[in-house]
Amino acid sequence: DADVTQTPRNRITKTGKRIMLECSQTKGHDRMYWYRQDPGLGLRLIYYSFDVKDINKGEISDGYSVSRQAQAKFSLSLESAIPNQTALYFCATSGTAQGELFFGEGSRLTVL
Amino acid sequence: GIQVEQSPPDLILQEGANSTLRCNFSDSVNNLQWFHQNPWGQLINLFYIPSGTKQNGRLSATTVATERYSLLYISSSQTTDSGVYFCAVWTGGFKTIFGAGTRLFVKA
Repeated sequence: DADVTQTPRNRITKTGKRIMLECSQTKGHDRMYWYRQDPGLGLRLIYYSFDVKDINKGEISDGYSVSRQAQAKFSLSLESAIPNQTALYFCATSGTAQGELFFGEGSRLTVL
Repeated sequence: GIQVEQSPPDLILQEGANSTLRCNFSDSVNNLQWFHQNPWGQLINLFYIPSGTKQNGRLSATTVATERYSLLYISSSQTTDSGVYFCAVWTGGFKTIFGAGTRLFVKA
C-alpha cells in the first residue's frame, strides 16, 4: 500500500458542485501539503499544514479550503467547482525541517 | 526568489542510450530532490541530494551545491524511463521550488 493515499483518483464533476479530495498518510509526518499541477505550469502550492492546529495558505488558495482532521489526514475542498480548477492534484508530506517531500498518487479532477 | 532551470526541456533517446539531465539554481539551497513523473502522472522520488553523489541502479545524481547545479544520469535507458523529470529545491520554511522539468521519451 502507498504511504500517501489520495481519494478519489479520478473525478468528473459539474460547475458549482462541492468536491472534497482526501489524503491520508502512514509515514508519521507532521507536515502535509496540497499541490495543483497544470500542463506547462508545473506544481503550485495550494495549502500546507505543519501540524493539526496549523493551516496556511499557499500560492493559489482562492477557491479552495482545507481541513486537517488528524496528523495523518488532510483534505482539500472546492466549495463551488469551476472549469479552471480542472487539474491534477497532489497531496504531499514531509517529516523534517529539511523538507524532503513524498507525494501521493494524484487525483485527476475534471470540472465540466 | 530562487530560480530553478532544467535542461534540456525535451529529450528523445533510443533504448540503451545514456543521458544527463541538468538542474541549475540561482541561490543556496538546503536540499534538492529529483522526481520522475511517469506517464500515468505519478510523482516518484528518485533522489534526495543536497550535495554529493548518490546511485540507485541505473540512475545516479550529483549535486555541487557551491556551484549551484545538480545532474541526473540515466544509463542504459529503458522505455519505462519515459516521463518528466523534475528537480525541486527547498530553501527553508514551507516552500519547495520546482523546475519546469525535462520531458524524456525513450524509443524501443
